[in-house]
Amino acid sequence: DTGVSQDPRHKITKRGQNVTFRCDPISEHNRLYWYRQTLGQGPEFLTYFQNEAQLEKSRLLSDRFSAERPKGSFSTLEIQRTEQGDSAMYLCASSPLDRADEKLFFGSGTQLSVL
Amino acid sequence: DQQVKQNSPSLSVQEGRISILNCDYTNSMFDYFLWYKKYPAEGPTFLISISSIKDKNEDGRFTVFLNKSAKHLSLHIVPSQPGDSAVYFCAASEDGGSQGNLIFGKGTKLSVKP
Repeated sequence: DTGVSQDPRHKITKRGQNVTFRCDPISEHNRLYWYRQTLGQGPEFLTYFQNEAQLEKSRLLSDRFSAERPKGSFSTLEIQRTEQGDSAMYLCASSPLDRADEKLFFGSGTQLSVL
Repeated sequence: DQQVKQNSPSLSVQEGRISILNCDYTNSMFDYFLWYKKYPAEGPTFLISISSIKDKNEDGRFTVFLNKSAKHLSLHIVPSQPGDSAVYFCAASEDGGSQGNLIFGKGTKLSVKP
């Protein structure tokens, strides 16, 4: 069990640029989640996948955000035309499908800074 | 409008004593509650959970108490150890936690002093 892996750990970009983050969940975990955490706040749910299907999206996920999980394994989160308000820690988590009481396993996150 | 509130941003406790972290919620539809611990530069790690059909769940040094009528839960750590120093997040969900859409509080930073 190698845990949830996120890449990169840190990303600095200029306002208006596009960025993409990658998440590799724990192998055989069917569910994959994206959360965002800003300074002084708890993580906020963005979206989640069950296998390759995106089942729920938060209203926090504006049109500039898109997430994919094409083969039901790794996932990418893309932010287009970044804004300074997008600066945050982006956390990925996974969980197995067969649990009724989900405990999410989080990665270490990608820290995004938009200048 | 915060549905899960942790009103104490920080807590300092002496090693060996009890740490009590509190959490209040407003949504009566929440039926599953979790505590996560977060060290700097790491993602949150699951600590303990409780279903709304119970009022207490214990796991080693960690006990979570749920008071549904008061919409309040608390995490007790006994005895506290310096390695427990971290930020603790309370989280809640509907549907028995089956959807993974957790609502987190802002966290309480616990410092356990030797």
